[in-house]
Amino acid sequence: AQKVTQAQTEISVVEKEDVTLDCVYETRDTTYYLFWYKQPPSGELVFLIRRNSFDEQNEISGRYSWNFQKSTSSFNFTITASQVVDSAVYFCALSEAENDYKLSFGAGTTVTVRA
Amino acid sequence: DSGVTQTPKHLITATGQRVTLRCSPRSGDLSVYWYQQSLDQGLQFLIHYYNGEERAKGNILERFSAQQFPDLHSELNLSSLELGDSALYFCASSVRQASDTQYFGPGTRLTVL
Repeated sequence: AQKVTQAQTEISVVEKEDVTLDCVYETRDTTYYLFWYKQPPSGELVFLIRRNSFDEQNEISGRYSWNFQKSTSSFNFTITASQVVDSAVYFCALSEAENDYKLSFGAGTTVTVRA
Repeated sequence: DSGVTQTPKHLITATGQRVTLRCSPRSGDLSVYWYQQSLDQGLQFLIHYYNGEERAKGNILERFSAQQFPDLHSELNLSSLELGDSALYFCASSVRQASDTQYFGPGTRLTVL
């Protein structure tokens, strides 16, 4: 069964628009961590943010913000005032204590920001 | 730059051959993870080493093996290569074996012809 679902395959926006990426996860573990990674066209995987299961406080970091809701098993990510350099594939990932904290990735959402 | 290095960046080889991918973790990191990214399977966990010992295996084929050396670098060996093994192989490292953030290397793109 898919542990992380990213329902949006592709999103296309014009520069300066906000982009929200959806992520729904599935786990029976009480201790787990959620991540967002970015994969630009160059191919590397870049760590963006991380949240643990005991902290539902939502935060803003620069143009990035995230909304973690355990009640709906969602961990959504927003890019505010998007820029062309934000064009990339964004992956949501889950690591669980019962699975040795290996990362289970979603299928990814391709974001294209047009000038 | 994550601090994780992987060599080579690109590898082109033929079916039936054997290749070795190399990974050097960030300074101070004891855990190394290997992942495979392919078009049909997405990003999949292969194997995890902590301080030289194997800790967990994912969907890793029997034709694939890995090890972590005393200097903490790791190698992923792929043998009897098939066309379907063509993929981007990532190494990631973290400080310990638990819940620390995994930082990824730039990947090795393997093409099997």
